Amino acid sequence: TQLLEQSPQFLSIQEGENLTVYCNSSSVFSSLQWYRQEPGEGPVLLVTVVTGGEVKKLKRLTFQFGDARKDSSLHITAAQPGDTGLYLCAGSYSGAGSYQLTFGKGTKLSVIP
Amino acid sequence: NAGVTQTPKFQVLKTGQSMTLQCAQDMNHNSMYWYRQDPGMGLRLIYYSASEGTTDKGEVPNGYNVSRLNKREFSLRLESAAPSQTSVYFCASSARRGWEQYFGPGTRLTVT
Repeated sequence: TQLLEQSPQFLSIQEGENLTVYCNSSSVFSSLQWYRQEPGEGPVLLVTVVTGGEVKKLKRLTFQFGDARKDSSLHITAAQPGDTGLYLCAGSYSGAGSYQLTFGKGTKLSVIP
Repeated sequence: NAGVTQTPKFQVLKTGQSMTLQCAQDMNHNSMYWYRQDPGMGLRLIYYSASEGTTDKGEVPNGYNVSRLNKREFSLRLESAAPSQTSVYFCASSARRGWEQYFGPGTRLTVT
């Protein structure tokens, strides 16, 4: 079983602040995905990163895949209340002849107006 | 284009009762999954179907059964519900196993 550790588990910040959340593993992943889950809803895919060192931007969100493809970070600039939610990372790896996806437990973000 | 749909959205069962959670996707995806989500435990895979006609156990399969009815539909059955099965259940689909997943809105199940 491939494990993904996310940190911090909880984060409460004021509107307008910047923040970074992390996703780490001892395993190499073929790709890594970030999802956001709002209260009472299912997770929604935000981005997939595939290449080591890759950086993707989605408005105020910046995603980075580590050079060794073992870790990733999500940086949010000028957080807004609408960013509140559970952020999940998920790593795809090859095992038992097929690709499998493993999820971290998530970072719960609260942005206070 | 509805994506992934789940029914029902809410359900209350008494211990020992049975029920089936329904899931359907309209994205022509090959793989489908059932997860449960509990506070502090994250998403845990119950069963998955890598392709039509196949099903396999995930991390927490005990007390559940699944049926991949066709390419679109994947159901989860609780034969004899227990309070430990109180949870939020999510169905998801992906083009292939290990690829990006698309989730339904969830079923909130309470077993008393």
